[in-house]
Amino acid sequence: DSGVTQTPKHLITATGQRVTLRCSPRSGDLSVYWYQQSLDQGLQFLIQYYNGEERAKGNILERFSAQQFPDLHSELNLSSLELGDSALYFCASSSGTSGNTIYFGEGSWLTVV
Amino acid sequence: GEDVEQSLFLSVREGDSSVINCTYTDSSSTYLYWYKQEPGAGPQLLTYIFSNMDMKQDQRLTVLLNKKDKHLSLRIADTQTGDSAIYFCAELQGGGADGLTFGKGTHLIIQP
Repeated sequence: DSGVTQTPKHLITATGQRVTLRCSPRSGDLSVYWYQQSLDQGLQFLIQYYNGEERAKGNILERFSAQQFPDLHSELNLSSLELGDSALYFCASSSGTSGNTIYFGEGSWLTVV
Repeated sequence: GEDVEQSLFLSVREGDSSVINCTYTDSSSTYLYWYKQEPGAGPQLLTYIFSNMDMKQDQRLTVLLNKKDKHLSLRIADTQTGDSAIYFCAELQGGGADGLTFGKGTHLIIQP
């Protein structure tokens, strides 16, 4: 158990819909990262937040957005969903901004039909 | 980010040593990582090495870093069936500004 909690574990939704994925970082960690894992693209970095502020941006689509709340939990919002958005979405956390130990949650499996 | 390269598959006999290799591209990477991912689970941090180190040992795991060639390896001694998984090499590019960049992963297959 990494200490990073993600919900929901699985969800199925239709194209055009919007979903929210939730992440609670490890106790004491200030940084939260979001990653997408698909068969063809592998693990892709989406975005990082540190103590409520956006810190780094990767290959995140404009239809996707994230935020980190004062209690440090984070949400990833995916809108106008397309079939190609079906993937595993992972949250990870670390204590610092360029942390040496980055721990991943178990992921949220999104299927768009 | 630039590509991190790994072989897709490695097959070893139970009890032998496994060596998984990786090449990375960002010479300014401060940390390099190995993650293990089993089916249905998230990537599990196995070990990491700071860029000013050449070697790190942790029980059955040995990490070797060749900065000149930008080559990283993970050796697993006495490989067991429980070591069967996908192993990802990752580098922290851009001083952390680009997040972790992962290789495609090496499937480690254990033969009895």
